[in-house]
Amino acid sequence: QSALTQPASVSGSPGQSITISCTGTSSDVGGYNYVSWYQQHPGKAPKLMIYDVSNRPSGVSNRFSGSKSGNTASLTISGLQAEDEADYYCSSYTSSSTPYVFGTGTKVTVL
Amino acid sequence: QVQLVESGGGLVKPGGSLRLSCAASGFTFSDYYMSWIRQAPGKGLEWVSYISSSGSTIYYADSVKGRFTISRDNAKNSLYLQMNSLRAEDTAVYYCAREVSEWEPTGAFDYWGQGTLVTVSS
Repeated sequence: QSALTQPASVSGSPGQSITISCTGTSSDVGGYNYVSWYQQHPGKAPKLMIYDVSNRPSGVSNRFSGSKSGNTASLTISGLQAEDEADYYCSSYTSSSTPYVFGTGTKVTVL
Repeated sequence: QVQLVESGGGLVKPGGSLRLSCAASGFTFSDYYMSWIRQAPGKGLEWVSYISSSGSTIYYADSVKGRFTISRDNAKNSLYLQMNSLRAEDTAVYYCAREVSEWEPTGAFDYWGQGTLVTVSS
């Protein structure tokens, strides 16, 4: 099972919106509504930001939103803030022998 | 509050073994699927293994199949990962994580431990 494909880096200015893509196949992202997104600051454990494509856990800012079209899922961060600077990973349920797969990760830089 | 605390990491020689533990508290451990997820230094996340709430269903990543064994003791609120035949490429921080859903595994992990570092080197 290959990792889902994410852009290596995305940047934006404070207040702007950015979108991170996560591309898979019909066996993972396209086949199930089980896409999650995680935020990870250096030296910290990942934090769940979005699950089941577009659901936000309690306590996560509504500036974070998720969506999916075909085999590509997306995470949008609106009103970009300095604290959003981190690595972001998507993950998906898969129909392969390995039930879960993570994305390659995206470094978000706030300019 | 929900807490997951890993232990058991350390330096081990190639071919050696190590057993990781994850102590859970603040929730009904026996209700949840649990996973181990690892992250090599400077690299991305890699899912390693999951175990169902009862322990009856287990899956492994192809990279560890046949070498790693996941288990749990619901009476002790603990999750384990027995790692045998360790290789240099197994060097990583290992996290235990809880699934969001009590009912089915979906790969959404809402609570993570702080991680324990496993280094495989001669």
